[in-house]
Amino acid sequence: QKEVEQDPGPLSVPEGAIVSLNCTYSNSAFQYFMWYRQYSRKGPELLMYTYSSGNKEDGRFTAQVDKSSKYISLFIRDSQPSDSATYLCAMSRGGGNKLTFGTGTQLKVEL
Amino acid sequence: GAGVSQSPRYKVAKRGQDVALRCDPISGHVSLFWYQQALGQGPEFLTYFQNEAQLDKSGLPSDRFFAERPEGSVSTLKIQRTQQEDSAVYLCASSLTDSPLHFGNGTRLTVT
Repeated sequence: QKEVEQDPGPLSVPEGAIVSLNCTYSNSAFQYFMWYRQYSRKGPELLMYTYSSGNKEDGRFTAQVDKSSKYISLFIRDSQPSDSATYLCAMSRGGGNKLTFGTGTQLKVEL
Repeated sequence: GAGVSQSPRYKVAKRGQDVALRCDPISGHVSLFWYQQALGQGPEFLTYFQNEAQLDKSGLPSDRFFAERPEGSVSTLKIQRTQQEDSAVYLCASSLTDSPLHFGNGTRLTVT
């Protein structure tokens, strides 16, 4: 069993929908949680960076961390076709430590 | 400023050839990481440098893989005697101490 589990999708939603992406993990030592967006043939781009449990909002994006359930989520409001990409969750023990990634969820936002 | 730069973007190697992949991190970033990303998978950690010191190489899959960062800036990942299972995208990331990682666009290696 992998340390970080993420449904690979693909997930297809209409433009304007609210998207919910999530990951579960098994290692309770993880303290830092990130979401990266990866477009085809590009490197991962940092979207959200959070420490420990709680919520963080940035524009249309909200990240939630529930350490008691070992569950993290990313919500995208008013989704746009430009949001179509693969979304990778990642986590680490320390702020600048090596990351453990999920498989990535492929998202398609359709007109 | 400029992001993490990797070269070449694409590399095709015949099985058994040696390859060298280059990473130019963001200026001033002390931490540098190499990851391997297979098709349809998330990146997997290979190795980590703090300045010129290689502090963790636990993810290197075999002794055919070697990484260096001699002056604490540019890094090179070398793969000797390439095998088909080495085909993947190799990502480099850099960061300031205790800060999030910033990734380059990777080198796509195809071994034929």
